[in-house]
Amino acid sequence: QKEVEQDPGPLSVPEGAIVSLNCTYSNSAFQYFMWYRQYSRKGPELLMYTYSSGNKEDGRFTAQVDKSSKYISLFIRDSQPSDSATYLCATQSKAAGNKLTFGGGTRVLVKP
Amino acid sequence: EAGVTQFPSHSVIEKGQTVTLRCDPISGHDNLYWYRRVMGKEIKFLLHFVKESKQDESGMPNNRFLAERTGGTYSTLKVQPAELEDSGVYFCASSLGGVRNEQFFGPGTRLTVL
Repeated sequence: QKEVEQDPGPLSVPEGAIVSLNCTYSNSAFQYFMWYRQYSRKGPELLMYTYSSGNKEDGRFTAQVDKSSKYISLFIRDSQPSDSATYLCATQSKAAGNKLTFGGGTRVLVKP
Repeated sequence: EAGVTQFPSHSVIEKGQTVTLRCDPISGHDNLYWYRRVMGKEIKFLLHFVKESKQDESGMPNNRFLAERTGGTYSTLKVQPAELEDSGVYFCASSLGGVRNEQFFGPGTRLTVL
């Protein structure tokens, strides 16, 4: 079983819709949770970094963490064609030296 | 401020040859990580440097892989001899460390072993 599970998609939405992405994880030692965006042939770009249960908002992006359910989510409001990319969730724990454990990524396509 | 840079962007070699990948972290970042994504799989951790010391190399696949970080600045990852299954995208990331340890990634090196 993978430590971080993520639906690969693709997820296709019309421009302006809300994009909803999620991951589940199995290791309760994970303390920090990240969302990265990756465009084709580019490196992952950090979008959100959270460390506690609850919501964190940054512009059109909201990250949600539920540690009791081991469930993390990312919502993108008012989606734009430029949001079309692969979104990767990642987890981290100090005990494991802060190395990142990634989900497989969800491909998102926002259609104009 | 310059981000993490990696060289080359793409390398095509034959099985049995040697390849060296280079990563230049963000200036001042003591932590440097190598990750790899092989086709159809998730990005996986290879190893972690703190300055010039290897902190964790638990993700290195085998002894054909050798990573160095001389002087605690740039790092190299050598694959010798390369095998077909080494094909993939190799990413480098760096971070300041501390309580929050956001890692910033380079663009990756796409390695193709024929």
